[in-house]
Amino acid sequence: KNEVEQSPQNLTAQEGEFITINCSYSVGISALHWLQQHPGGGIVSLFMLSSGKKKHGRLIATINIQEKHSSLHITASHPRDSAVYICAAYTQGGSEKLVFGKGMKLTVNP
Amino acid sequence: EPEVTQTPSHQVTQMGQEVILRCVPISNHLYFYWYRQILGQKVEFLVSFYNNEISEKSEIFDDQFSVERPDGSNFTLKIRSTKLEDSAMYFCASSQGAGATGELFFGEGSRLTVL
Repeated sequence: KNEVEQSPQNLTAQEGEFITINCSYSVGISALHWLQQHPGGGIVSLFMLSSGKKKHGRLIATINIQEKHSSLHITASHPRDSAVYICAAYTQGGSEKLVFGKGMKLTVNP
Repeated sequence: EPEVTQTPSHQVTQMGQEVILRCVPISNHLYFYWYRQILGQKVEFLVSFYNNEISEKSEIFDDQFSVERPDGSNFTLKIRSTKLEDSAMYFCASSQGAGATGELFFGEGSRLTVL
């Protein structure tokens, strides 16, 4: 049983489209990361949030604690946004380990 | 911008050999982590390390694995006798605060191939 689920698993979009990536989790969490994994494998943290909404450039992340759901939105998508987007959560109780979702592979075509 | 660096980027080894993966965390960080990702699968937590001791570990992190911070800058993951199933990308990460209290920075990963 996966504690962190992502949908869809793959998404192909055209440049300029608005993209939404969803993440749901089945356990109580203290915070959630949105991560970007490049084709070479490296991982970068985009956001860590425990409530509300955060924005950075064309990226917006939201979280609804009651519904156990988070979304990552990309506005005006660009081919350089092509990557795997992963959500990962810290479970409640002070755990230091991140529980990862399987990731969503995004391809943005020019 | 500060970064976590990992070496080697790729290592090929024979089954049964010892492997040491090295990481240099960001200099003022206090919490250190190893994660791994088997090809095509999700990233999995291995171990967290603080104040020179393991603070949390997963079921994967058995007696074949060990971590240490030998000199105050490097953070190493040792696999004593590698198995085929240890083939994976290993990521080091560091943060100033524990878990949800600190921004997490990952290295580029070390790809381990066990033949």
